[in-house]
Amino acid sequence: DAGVIQSPRHEVTEMGQEVTLRCKPISGHNSLFWYRQTMMRGLELLIYFNNNVPIDDSGMPEDRFSAKMPNASFSTLKIQPSEPRDSAVYFCASSFGSGTPYQETQYFGPGTRLLVL
Amino acid sequence: GEDVEQSLFLSVREGDSSVINCTYTDSSSTYLYWYKQEPGAGLQLLTYIFSNMDMKQDQRLTVLLNKKDKHLSLRIADTQTGDSAIYFCAETGQAGTALIFGKGTTLSVSS
Repeated sequence: DAGVIQSPRHEVTEMGQEVTLRCKPISGHNSLFWYRQTMMRGLELLIYFNNNVPIDDSGMPEDRFSAKMPNASFSTLKIQPSEPRDSAVYFCASSFGSGTPYQETQYFGPGTRLLVL
Repeated sequence: GEDVEQSLFLSVREGDSSVINCTYTDSSSTYLYWYKQEPGAGLQLLTYIFSNMDMKQDQRLTVLLNKKDKHLSLRIADTQTGDSAIYFCAETGQAGTALIFGKGTTLSVSS
């Protein structure tokens, strides 16, 4: 298995532009997570899905952020409009689901480094 | 509420032991985890411990759990420069919720 795939790996954009981050989870995993990592705030959970349904989006910073999971093999995180304070590394992770450690183990993608100028 | 706290930095010399500490608040956590993040990469699971265990050893790694004090530690024996990374402690949240991660401890190993 190729693991969790994220694209793009790097994104540089200007303030006000729309940014779309993409994630392909590991085949067979039922849960998908979006995280944001910055030096100041560490690793923050933004939203997670179980069986394509958003379960907890309380970590989404504001209405400029939206996430979708139209099917089991694809998810997007969109920022519109983007702002310089959104600059961070965005990780996608997937797991089989809750229960045993095996099921809960999250597998992380390599991340998307976003820079908003 | 649920929270996981870690010290931010640890610096050791190659060959020494490293001990990374973590405290958590949710006494109902079933499992506690240690993840490792190498520079430029995502997090990878290192090891986990079931909440009814006190200790778990896996090669150079030893995990100690003090459930009464809600304290978890990761000991790395004979620390190598390749162990330099950020180490995250995580606990299971309430049923049906995601893992709760600490902010990570940056381990720096000097030769």
